[in-house]
Amino acid sequence: DQQVKQNSPSLSVQEGRISILNCDYTNSMFDYFLWYKKYPAEGPTFLISISSIKDKNEDGRFTVFLNKSAKHLSLHIVPSQPGDSAVYFCAASASYGGSQGNLIFGKGTKLSVKP
Amino acid sequence: DGGITQSPKYLFRKEGQNVTLSCEQNLNHDAMYWYRQDPGQGLRLIYYSQIVNDFQKGDIAEGYSVSREKKESFPLTVTSAQKNPTAFYLCASRPTQGRIEPQHFGDGTRLSIL
Repeated sequence: DQQVKQNSPSLSVQEGRISILNCDYTNSMFDYFLWYKKYPAEGPTFLISISSIKDKNEDGRFTVFLNKSAKHLSLHIVPSQPGDSAVYFCAASASYGGSQGNLIFGKGTKLSVKP
Repeated sequence: DGGITQSPKYLFRKEGQNVTLSCEQNLNHDAMYWYRQDPGQGLRLIYYSQIVNDFQKGDIAEGYSVSREKKESFPLTVTSAQKNPTAFYLCASRPTQGRIEPQHFGDGTRLSIL
């Protein structure tokens, strides 16, 4: 059973517009959430994270929103650029317990930003 | 530059053969991880190690083995018992002291069957 779900396999956005990538989770023990960006044949690159004590975290063009009651997070990219075209993975972890720090990944959303 | 180095980038395995994928990091991270990625899938955890000389099975450990004799090295052996080894393998590491830090990844090894 998937604990982290990215229900949109792909998303296409016009350059300069906002990209919104969504992620849902089921495990209430998750308290740390991350987004990674991945190009083909490369390893994922860490993008931004958020702790469950916050509901928003910003880093330049990237903002992550966390809605704990809905067990939902989203990544907003504004403005979107062609170089943002990649697969984006949502990941979650629990900061306590035997698997502390282990990440559970969603299946990814392929973002295409068209010029 | 500090980072995670995975080698080789491409690897081919014959039937019945064991192969070992290398992962080295010079980030002084305590924890290291191995993941497998299949097309259209997320990353699935094979093995992880929080400290030298100790490692734990992840979600899909069957057919794989690891060792952690040095802090900077965490090799993964894909044994002949792994019936579907064709995949993209990723190694990651992170520090374990202080607040939780994100895992950082190498560039992966693509394993194919001859």
